Amino acid sequence: AQKVTQAQTEISVVEKEDVTLDCVYETRDTTYYLFWYKQPPSGELVFLIRRNSFDEQNEISGRYSWNFQKSTSSFNFTITASQVVDSAVYFCALSEATGNQFYFGTGTSLTVIP
Amino acid sequence: KAGVTQTPRYLIKTRGQQVTLSCSPISGHRSVSWYQQTPGQGLQFLFEYFSETQRNKGNFPGRFSGRQFSNSRSEMNVSTLELGDSALYLCASSLATGTSAYNEQFFGPGTRLTVL
Repeated sequence: AQKVTQAQTEISVVEKEDVTLDCVYETRDTTYYLFWYKQPPSGELVFLIRRNSFDEQNEISGRYSWNFQKSTSSFNFTITASQVVDSAVYFCALSEATGNQFYFGTGTSLTVIP
Repeated sequence: KAGVTQTPRYLIKTRGQQVTLSCSPISGHRSVSWYQQTPGQGLQFLFEYFSETQRNKGNFPGRFSGRQFSNSRSEMNVSTLELGDSALYLCASSLATGTSAYNEQFFGPGTRLTVL
């Protein structure tokens, strides 16, 4: 079974619009970690954020914000006032405390149109 | 600090051949993971090494193998290449000592393998 689901395959927005990327995960562990990575056209994945399962506080970093809700097993990522440089593929990932493996979603390709 | 480096960046092989890809982790990182990335499939986990030991392996056939050296550098090998092995192969390193769960992974630029 897929442990991380990113249902949105592709999203296009016009510059300055807000956009939310969805991530739903599945795990039986009580201790786990969630991550978001960005893969720009150059190809190299860039780490954006990590949350642990005991910290449901939302986080904001500049134009980026993350909403972690254990009740719905979701860890959504919002970009406010999108810019062309935000165009990339975004991956959500899960790692479980009992394992040594990251589970990645299939990614959401975001295109910001100027 | 230098990032994760992967060599070569591009490879073209034919069916039936074998290939070896190399990964040098960030200095001080002892955990190295390998992923296969194909369109529509996302990143598929291949294996993870720590201190020269394979700790975890994904669901790939035995044609895919790897190893890690004492300096934490890692190689992965694919034997008897198939057309479906064409992909971007990504290496990631992390500071993980025990479980790898907590530490974020730092990715290299990948090796683009094309099998003809």
